[in-house]
Amino acid sequence: EIVLTQSPHFQSVTPKEKVIITCRASQSIGSSLHWYQQKPDQSPKLLIKYASQSISGVPSRFSGSGSGTDFTLTINSLEGEDAATYYCHQSSSLPHTFGQGTKLEIK
Amino acid sequence: EVQLVESGGGLIQPGGSLRLSCAVSGFTVSSNYMSWVRQAPGKGLEWVSVIYSGGSTLYADSVKGRFTISRDNSKNTLYLQMNSLRAEDTAVYYCARALGGAAFEIWGQGTMVTVSS
Repeated sequence: EIVLTQSPHFQSVTPKEKVIITCRASQSIGSSLHWYQQKPDQSPKLLIKYASQSISGVPSRFSGSGSGTDFTLTINSLEGEDAATYYCHQSSSLPHTFGQGTKLEIK
Repeated sequence: EVQLVESGGGLIQPGGSLRLSCAVSGFTVSSNYMSWVRQAPGKGLEWVSVIYSGGSTLYADSVKGRFTISRDNSKNTLYLQMNSLRAEDTAVYYCARALGGAAFEIWGQGTMVTVSS
């Protein structure tokens, strides 16, 4: 099973700040890495697919990069509505696995 | 409109059974890669099972032999039959579609399953 390790686990940030969340895979997964945003009492929402591909309707301040084992999700100019937990997910091999999540708190 | 609507959750005693449903609208369930993903209270996401368009199925080790994923093409509905339920199966269960078997780009609202005596 591929283990995904996210960091940080928690971050308190101010609006307009730039945020970088990292996700490291226990073995190479190519670009089969996806990012989700989950707000309290809501379903996860896909933000980025295949490491860096944007999703229609997702604000352009969200971007992704990386390949192999190291990936990043960047949120430029954070807004108050971005308070949520963010998960990475790999689809390179079964079982699908998720990172443990990164909770963003807006100050 | 593309939509997934789960139902069937509830409170069940350990060792009991429950069947979850995921009613699909806006696309054909039999033509897509459909999965169940669960989230225990206050915890992260855990993939549970998949059914491919061809009908083959796979399960997480934690549920193998106890859970069965299936679909009814005439009702355009996905199911998860859960037997021999344990306290650690307590979670919100989501159905999700993954285009090309990759990212889960559509999710249902989830249904809560509580296994407790």
